[in-house]
Amino acid sequence: AQSVTQPDIHITVSEGASLELRCNYSYGATPYLFWYVQSPGQGLQLLLKYFSGDTLVQGIKGFEAEFKRSQSSFNLRKPSVHWSDAAEYFCAVTTGGGNKLTFGTGTQLKVEL
Amino acid sequence: ETGVTQTPRHLVMGMTNKKSLKCEQHLGHNAMYWYKQSAKKPLELMFVYNFKEQTENNSVPSRFSPECPNSSHLFLHLHTLQPEDSALYLCASSQDYTDTQYFGPGTRLTVL
Repeated sequence: AQSVTQPDIHITVSEGASLELRCNYSYGATPYLFWYVQSPGQGLQLLLKYFSGDTLVQGIKGFEAEFKRSQSSFNLRKPSVHWSDAAEYFCAVTTGGGNKLTFGTGTQLKVEL
Repeated sequence: ETGVTQTPRHLVMGMTNKKSLKCEQHLGHNAMYWYKQSAKKPLELMFVYNFKEQTENNSVPSRFSPECPNSSHLFLHLHTLQPEDSALYLCASSQDYTDTQYFGPGTRLTVL
């Protein structure tokens, strides 16, 4: 069965600092990978996705993620964090033939001013 | 309205009540989903509908009853719930069963 691990439950960074959120997946076939963000009391907003092609994908709000097949990872990065980025971030994986998304447990990001 | 909307946003109900959650998508999508988000647990897929037909029931208790009258609307009928059913219920839609899912804001359900 496919699974997603987000090893960091909480991360605190200073505004303007760089950010990397880790995501590791376990799946035998080629995965479709997603990052979603959830602000308090809100639903999930899609940041970016990887289906195929260039392994470095750009998303909204200045985020990017890199697919590394050898490491089974899809880490999310942002070069300079803004206070408004404070939220919970979810990595998710599915196969190409279906859309049964499997989510990680999320990483709560706190931004210090 | 744009995107995926859910009503109500908050709901408090007793264990003997019957209530319904509503989801509407304005994206022209054909697949719709219900998820449950509990504290400290990953999102759990509950039901999937594709072209109004249920294609996935992830071993959800029968006290949760979904209904999809058309591709734009999805309901979750609730009856005799338990306190552990308190959670954020999220609806999502996608163009088809293999496409990216877009989420609504959720309904925060509290069962007393």
